[in-house]
Amino acid sequence: KAGVTQTPRYLIKTRGQQVTLSCSPISGHRSVSWYQQTPGQGLQFLFEYFSETQRNKGNFPGRFSGRQFSNSRSEMNVSTLELGDSALYLCASSSGGSNEQYFGPGTRLTVT
Amino acid sequence: QKEVEQNSGPLSVPEGAIASLNCTYSDRGSQSFFWYRQYSGKSPELIMSIYSNGDKEDGRFTAQLNKASQYVSLLIRDSQPSDSATYLCAAPSNSNSGYALNFGKGTSLLVTP
Repeated sequence: KAGVTQTPRYLIKTRGQQVTLSCSPISGHRSVSWYQQTPGQGLQFLFEYFSETQRNKGNFPGRFSGRQFSNSRSEMNVSTLELGDSALYLCASSSGGSNEQYFGPGTRLTVT
Repeated sequence: QKEVEQNSGPLSVPEGAIASLNCTYSDRGSQSFFWYRQYSGKSPELIMSIYSNGDKEDGRFTAQLNKASQYVSLLIRDSQPSDSATYLCAAPSNSNSGYALNFGKGTSLLVTP
């Protein structure tokens, strides 16, 4: 089975711009979660989608948003980028039958 | 705030030794726990999950859970240099919803030849 895929793998953006990241889960997985990883804060939960509905949301400002499509693919969007948004953004998928989450390779976002 | 705590390390062990990684959690309602391994520059990889008190073994890895003490550990037997990585402990951040994981900041393990 193919793993979780994320595109793009690397991005460089300027402060004030917006960015959209994409995630395709493992085939058959209906839950997609997004995390931000930084050296200082570690891995932090952003939000989780299941069957096109946001089920959980972490403590991030409204500039961070996401959505899920009917084929379970998910996108996250960050508007009005700040320098502090530079991070590795990770997507993880789960079958929905257990809590086990499998991560994609991540998107490395650099904001200058 | 429900938290997962880990010693950041680095934990250094010689090749062939047992590496012991520890994790404590604050949410008594947590029912499942996970260990991820993350190599530098890579994404986390799930290596163990544990749901019941006691030990769970998978190859060279043993996860131990003690719910009374709110303590989870990971033992790596016959440690190899390829085990050198950061190990992340995780638990669901909400007892009623299992798909948002709360991660510790990870323990860096170095296995020296």
